[in-house]
Amino acid sequence: GNSVTQMEGPVTLSEEAFLTINCTYTATGYPSLFWYVQYPGEGLQLLLKATKADDKGSNKGFEATYRKETTSFHLEKGSVQVSDSAVYFCALETNQAGTALIFGKGTTLSVSS
Amino acid sequence: GAVVSQHPSRVICKSGTSVKIECRSLDFQATTMFWYRQFPKQSLMLMATSNEGSKATYEQGVEKDKFLINHASLTLSTLTVTSAHPEDSSFYICSAPTDTDTQYFGPGTRLTVL
Repeated sequence: GNSVTQMEGPVTLSEEAFLTINCTYTATGYPSLFWYVQYPGEGLQLLLKATKADDKGSNKGFEATYRKETTSFHLEKGSVQVSDSAVYFCALETNQAGTALIFGKGTTLSVSS
Repeated sequence: GAVVSQHPSRVICKSGTSVKIECRSLDFQATTMFWYRQFPKQSLMLMATSNEGSKATYEQGVEKDKFLINHASLTLSTLTVTSAHPEDSSFYICSAPTDTDTQYFGPGTRLTVL
């Protein structure tokens, strides 16, 4: 079946450090891939997405590249800020549009100044 | 961007009572909405798909008689937890796709059953 596996946290970094959160997926066909962020006390927000192989999603300095050969969608940021502290979820949507998302377990990022 | 609201944001109830949670798409219409449940430090698990004008589709293992879903209009879906018990305490989140298939999530409802 379809599934998403992401690295377990928490991830603790100092401000301006480099961030990588690994995400791999299992799916039939060609899913769309997403990263969502959940700030403390708030709902999920779409951070970035990619809909086909080799696409790179980017937003707010975060990037992730859809790698079909390794079934991965790792999230990266070159220089994190304290305000990036949140829970990050990797998710996939099967190629049937309008279906529910399948989420990874989430990775908590804590950035200190 | 599109906005999805949930009400209430937090509810505490006694065991055996029923609780209704509303999910509204504020600036777009949604024929489909999704209900998720999130346990502490765990992922969101899909509970059911709410369909406007027809019955909801439940995921395996989710009791349809316990978690009643009504998609009353193109902007409103409700989840009623009937005869709630402490094990139903959780964070319930809804989402709705826009016509461009982008999913927008509500802020969630924290249910605590005493």
